[in-house]
Amino acid sequence: EAGVVQSPRYKIIEKKQPVAFWCNPISGHNTLYWYRQNLGQGPELLIRYENEEAVDDSQLPKDRFSAERLKGVDSTLKIQPAELGDSAVYLCASSFDGTSGVWGEQYFGPGTRLTVT
Amino acid sequence: AQTVTQSQPEMSVQEAETVTLSCTYDTSESDYYLFWYKQPPSRQMILVIRQEAYKQQNATENRFSVNFQKAAKSFSLKISDSQLGDAAMYFCAYRSPGGLVKNDKIIFGKGTRLHILP
Repeated sequence: EAGVVQSPRYKIIEKKQPVAFWCNPISGHNTLYWYRQNLGQGPELLIRYENEEAVDDSQLPKDRFSAERLKGVDSTLKIQPAELGDSAVYLCASSFDGTSGVWGEQYFGPGTRLTVT
Repeated sequence: AQTVTQSQPEMSVQEAETVTLSCTYDTSESDYYLFWYKQPPSRQMILVIRQEAYKQQNATENRFSVNFQKAAKSFSLKISDSQLGDAAMYFCAYRSPGGLVKNDKIIFGKGTRLHILP
């Protein structure tokens, strides 16, 4: 079974340019997460989807970041315009969360390493 | 606000020996989840072990076990019989209870880089 797929793996852009990241979760997983991981830090949650609904986007910088998961499957995270401080690894993860109140295990993708010059 | 602190940026252990990674957290919630994740160099992050706060028994997964001290808000990871493949960044993480919570908190520590010495 394929794991969480992310593309591209690496991206170098100049500041003020737009950039988009794509994530395809594990089949059947209803919850999808986008994280940002700065160098030497732990992941920071940007947004969480349950199916197509963004249930937690409190840490997403909404002035320049946007995300969508239109059909409740794959997702796209966009930055426009990019700033130097956006250089980081962007991780996608997915899980299956039922109604029992127990969180499912998160499976992480390999990440997209963004460099803004 | 919830916080997770890993006070050891780096640690080293001899192969086949035992090592303990420390993690402390702060929360006002009584029910929550704690996790240890492993992130090998240039590889994907994977779950090592999880602990539900309402469970008094410490979780174990083969060579990995935790020492969960709820009152002290401490959650350390013990790796027994260390192997070269255990070399990685280890992250401690906190999560609010599941269910219908729409704005649960997922907080990661800064990580501990573990080196295995042959």
